[in-house]
Amino acid sequence: SAVISQKPSRDICQRGTSLTIQCQVDSQVTMMFWYRQQPGQSLTLIATANQGSEATYESGFVIDKFPISRPNLTFSTLTVSNMSPEDSSIYLCSAGLTRNTGELFFGEGSRLTVL
Amino acid sequence: QKEVEQNSGPLSVPEGAIASLNCTYSDRVSQSFFWYRQYSGKSPELIMSIYSNGDKEDGRFTAQLNKASQYVSLLIRDSQPSDSATYLCAANSGGSNYKLTFGKGTLLTVNP
Repeated sequence: SAVISQKPSRDICQRGTSLTIQCQVDSQVTMMFWYRQQPGQSLTLIATANQGSEATYESGFVIDKFPISRPNLTFSTLTVSNMSPEDSSIYLCSAGLTRNTGELFFGEGSRLTVL
Repeated sequence: QKEVEQNSGPLSVPEGAIASLNCTYSDRVSQSFFWYRQYSGKSPELIMSIYSNGDKEDGRFTAQLNKASQYVSLLIRDSQPSDSATYLCAANSGGSNYKLTFGKGTLLTVNP
């Protein structure tokens, strides 16, 4: 498995501001992803964080709203831009190890509340 | 749109009983299936993965896969109060091993 650290763990933000979430993995990983879990809901994939290139976004998510960086094999950031109350959610970083099993491991999540 | 369906529950079982959690998926090309446990306020934790038809056992947990029926299940034997959590079923999609679609989860309560 992998140890995945996220920060901040929680934050309260004002409408119209942006917040960057950091994700650090304790080992080099092939794949990194960002998920969103809205209250009472399951996980929705936002994007695949690609090392050294632009992230691959899922339907309904765009780079201008959720810019993602991944400068190396152990670190990624997700920015939630121009936040509105609808962005209040838990944002989860996940990683797949080098073995091609499809098994994902999750960070503890970043709980954002937008007022 | 590829979907993974689960009964939302809550499923309530007495301590020591077998808890049975079920899941169906719509993407016929899915090859990898996972069960995650999520305690309230915590992140999902991988507890089982299964790739072939049949049963896979790990301790008190048994995952079952039937690709013809597009059905996955998780059995928890000798259920304990500490098993009380939401269980998320996930399947890979889009031809990628790591791109997962999650169900909404089944809330399990194990009563002492």
